[in-house]
Amino acid sequence: NAGVTQTPKFRVLKTGQSMTLLCAQDMNHEYMYWYRQDPGMGLRLIHYSVGEGTTAKGEVPDGYNVSRLKKQNFLLGLESAAPSQTSVYFCAIGAYGYTFGSGTRLTVV
Amino acid sequence: DQQVKQNSPSLSVQEGRISILNCDYTNSMFDYFLWYKKYPAEGPTFLISISSIKDKNEDGRFTVFLNKSAKHLSLHIVPSQPGDSAVYFCAASVTFSGNTPLVFGKGTRLSVIA
Repeated sequence: NAGVTQTPKFRVLKTGQSMTLLCAQDMNHEYMYWYRQDPGMGLRLIHYSVGEGTTAKGEVPDGYNVSRLKKQNFLLGLESAAPSQTSVYFCAIGAYGYTFGSGTRLTVV
Repeated sequence: DQQVKQNSPSLSVQEGRISILNCDYTNSMFDYFLWYKKYPAEGPTFLISISSIKDKNEDGRFTVFLNKSAKHLSLHIVPSQPGDSAVYFCAASVTFSGNTPLVFGKGTRLSVIA
């Protein structure tokens, strides 16, 4: 998944803790997205951005915040993690055919 | 309400035969459709797409068919190979009025048996 880097790759959080997931791209795309993948649920859009300084809500935005202060970075924050946020998180970039990162596997216990 | 539906969670096919993965959509505004392939522990990768002005698009062993009146698309893989074993996601978007984010189906797990 050249061009889209997600950090960290794995994380275990306790309920109530906070964390930030980072998506960094080197392809100069305006559009960036955060999706979560859960068993039997497919990929669901959390938040997205159409350019530096912009963000918008997706299908499942509750419990998450995002920021796009720099064009190349899109941050996804969990202020108070809940077990329901246990998931695999994917960042994607692009306007038509997206390029995805390799994912962050988050477990909230 | 699901706008993109993949009603078959799994599909098993013998090597060398045809694999047919199906996808239905409810939003008549969708005008661009894509298929993604996903291996375990990796991000989805783009496979093939089709615009609503076409009814077929072919790329090597992969062909996507679009039936707008039925709001149905399908992905054909011929011949199927063991390396095709993965989860396949159908996705759709509205592009004519500015791009909307892709809406994905729940995925179909394809197993190609040698």
